[in-house]
Amino acid sequence: QVTLKESGPVLVKPTETLTLTCTVSGFSLSNARMGVSWVRQPPGKALEWLAHIFSNDEKSYSTSLKSRLTISKDTSKSQVVLTMTNMDPVDTATYYCARIRFLDFVWFDPWGQGTLVTVSS
Amino acid sequence: QSVLTQPPSASGTPGQRVTISCSGSSSNIGSNYVYWYQQLPGTAPKLLIYRNNQRPSGVPDRFSGSKSGTSASLAISGLRSEDESDYYCAAWDDGLSGPVFGGGTKLTVL
Repeated sequence: QVTLKESGPVLVKPTETLTLTCTVSGFSLSNARMGVSWVRQPPGKALEWLAHIFSNDEKSYSTSLKSRLTISKDTSKSQVVLTMTNMDPVDTATYYCARIRFLDFVWFDPWGQGTLVTVSS
Repeated sequence: QSVLTQPPSASGTPGQRVTISCSGSSSNIGSNYVYWYQQLPGTAPKLLIYRNNQRPSGVPDRFSGSKSGTSASLAISGLRSEDESDYYCAAWDDGLSGPVFGGGTKLTVL
């Protein structure tokens, strides 16, 4: 059974850097056909893709947030880490990680439960 | 403002057939697969339709997807109360080099 679980701070202050971890099980981050994406959803609003990473370390970022995002992986720990710098209250959202397939980057399945991050002083 | 356009709401009575539209452009829906996600209240999204019209195992055949040109639709037949949810369409966008989502449609079962 494939599962993903997000972890990280519940509350961050404006200008701080957010670090989120996605721990996966049921598949390996060394699998050439699988990758992990991050997607966020502000309260009551739509989904927004942030970044993805594959086993060969191929990475891609949202063009609007690229300057603030870094995605990396630790295959031995089955973890994918997303950092977002210079956090702002508008970044308050539930952050999800999801498995994706190589060359099928919109096939998000399954998703983690999500973690709500609030940006406030 | 989402790249893909969906109606904010839709409704139907039990047993009815409802459709939810998703409009895009040549750089996304027009040249790439469309995906649909169901997000029940307070839960994470779940894949409902992939590659325009394919259902993952476990998704009832009451759900179907279609695509024509730069638009796509999700149809739900035999509407049930448990279908009350938010639905999102998504596609790869060649210009943005990333996935884009619709604004979501809240389906109410009357």
